[in-house]
Amino acid sequence: DVKVTQSSRYLVKRTGEKVFLECVQDMDHENMFWYRQDPGLGLRLIYFSYDVKMKEKGDIPEGYSVSREKKERFSLILESASTNQTSMYLCASRSTGGRGELFFGEGSRLTVL
Amino acid sequence: RKEVEQDPGPFNVPEGATVAFNCTYSNSASQSFFWYRQDCRKEPKLLMSVYSSGNEDGRFTAQLNRASQYISLLIRDSKLSDSATYLCVVNPYSSASKIIFGSGTRLSIRP
Repeated sequence: DVKVTQSSRYLVKRTGEKVFLECVQDMDHENMFWYRQDPGLGLRLIYFSYDVKMKEKGDIPEGYSVSREKKERFSLILESASTNQTSMYLCASRSTGGRGELFFGEGSRLTVL
Repeated sequence: RKEVEQDPGPFNVPEGATVAFNCTYSNSASQSFFWYRQDCRKEPKLLMSVYSSGNEDGRFTAQLNRASQYISLLIRDSKLSDSATYLCVVNPYSSASKIIFGSGTRLSIRP
């Protein structure tokens, strides 16, 4: 069965702290994504990676960076967390071939105080 | 105009009813279409892909109308457990990253 695992379901951090969100997929997918989801704003793409060490900015990359050192792992980094980064963060992956269905992790709910 | 538009609802229907949602998309070159279901405070989960000829999975039927650029989801004999937000997702062919999500339609099934 397809599996996307996010390291932390719930996090509480203080303003200015560095935050790491990790995501691992076991499907050998080339493409991995980080989204954030906020009420009324829907899903917004932060970063996308199409291969190891390759990344593209999404719609809202400001304040975030990513790392993809291995195919199965895609990390989202908040260098200096701010209160407006309080959100639900969703990792997803998909294959390049086929119909391209997205598979999501369970989400990481981050609160920045 | 939004790239993908859905009626946000909420749709509030009695158990056993039939309910239908539509979703319109603006890019006529779009190739793949999906319906996802998202429960409150959970991740979206693939409900079904939408094929050109239409497809059915149990009580759920999805259809694609390329001429009018919309997809639909029909739920028959609705159950309490169908209460969720239903997301329309469109995948334009040209870009691996450009996956467009609708804002979702909230469905609430009452006993």
